[in-house]
Amino acid sequence: EPEVTQTPSHQVTQMGQEVILRCVPISNHLYFYWYRQILGQKVEFLVSFYNNEISEKSEIFDDQFSVERPDGSNFTLKIRSTKLEDSAMYFCASSEPGLKETQYFGPGTRLLVL
Amino acid sequence: QKEVEQNSGPLSVPEGAIASLNCTYSDRGSQSFFWYRQYSGKSPELIMFIYSNGDKEDGRFTAQLNKASQYVSLLIRDSQPSDSATYLCAVSGALRGNQFYFGTGTSLTVIP
Repeated sequence: EPEVTQTPSHQVTQMGQEVILRCVPISNHLYFYWYRQILGQKVEFLVSFYNNEISEKSEIFDDQFSVERPDGSNFTLKIRSTKLEDSAMYFCASSEPGLKETQYFGPGTRLLVL
Repeated sequence: QKEVEQNSGPLSVPEGAIASLNCTYSDRGSQSFFWYRQYSGKSPELIMFIYSNGDKEDGRFTAQLNKASQYVSLLIRDSQPSDSATYLCAVSGALRGNQFYFGTGTSLTVIP
């Protein structure tokens, strides 16, 4: 069964460093998303991406964040100048054309900023 | 402002019983409603979605939607220990269909 994959599974970084989280969405999906979940808190929407551009973003997704689809398979989230409060689980999700609201989540990347 | 509210639980039911999970939402124009299951340390897994008022059944799961009351629920029949997880209610925004708002989740324990 096709699934969303994410790398790395865990990332530890120093405050102020840049990190890139990678996702490979399900192959026939065209809508891509990033969410985050701070430990013990709810899942929060960051951004959605379609047709090589951001379609929606939340208040959390400020200039510190960027997304990119560098090739036909990868979808990345870059976090510049990381802060302690960026420590969270980051989930990538994707959905297929015609069913864009049925989002399938990847296993997540646990980011720890020290 | 909280968009989606759920009782955090924990909710405990004996094996074989019906588990009832509830969710309310604030945006009256919300269009789509989802239930996800999340095991500890894992990603959310889609259980089912509902768009229209009434009931929708899928196996042991039934979602119920009442837009007038801004209320959505999930019933799990014949609960199994493997159903023990946190259940997340998610609502897509009225104006921003791609943006999901999640509740904090209800922790369910099914006791063998």
